[in-house]
Amino acid sequence: KQEVTQIPAALSVPEGENLVLNCSFTDSAIYNLQWFRQDPGKGLTSLLLIQSSQREQTSGRLNASLDKSSGRSTLYIAASQPGDSATYLCAVDTGNQFYFGTGTSLTVIP
Amino acid sequence: DAGVTQSPTHLIKTRGQQVTLRCSPKSGHDTVSWYQQALGQGPQFIFQYYEEEERQRGNFPDRFSGHQFPNYSSELNVNALLLGDSALYLCASSLDRGHGYTFGSGTRLTVV
Repeated sequence: KQEVTQIPAALSVPEGENLVLNCSFTDSAIYNLQWFRQDPGKGLTSLLLIQSSQREQTSGRLNASLDKSSGRSTLYIAASQPGDSATYLCAVDTGNQFYFGTGTSLTVIP
Repeated sequence: DAGVTQSPTHLIKTRGQQVTLRCSPKSGHDTVSWYQQALGQGPQFIFQYYEEEERQRGNFPDRFSGHQFPNYSSELNVNALLLGDSALYLCASSLDRGHGYTFGSGTRLTVV
């Protein structure tokens, strides 16, 4: 069974700092990996989708990488802002369902 | 273009009752999946519907059932509600497999 782990569980950084969130998964047979943002009590907002054949994707200040063979992905956030404060979830798509990690709770201090 | 729409937003039910949650997928999407998210946890897969059939099911009891209509919208039904069913229920739509998912804002179910 696919298991997804996210480290760290929580992170607090001063505004302007660059940061990296980590995601690991146990089974490399995936279609893709998707990073989401979730604000308290809200739904999930898609940030980046990386297909299994891709190495990375970029959107603005966000960059996500995927190393399928080692079962790892990282989300890099440049020049963090207080508005980036949220929980970040990674999920791997096996074709029929997503497996989610428990998320990293990020707080950016002004 | 509306994304995924879920209704109702919030719901309070009594233990033992039945509930129906609704989801309209993003335009052009034909696959609908449902997830349960307990407080502080990642979403857990309930089931996925494609072409009006349940294609895949997670580790949830038969009290959880669903349906997909010809217009691709979907319902999640939960019978004999338990206190432990209190959670945020998320609907996600996609274009078949492997194209990424779009999530709705969720339905917050509270069982008292």
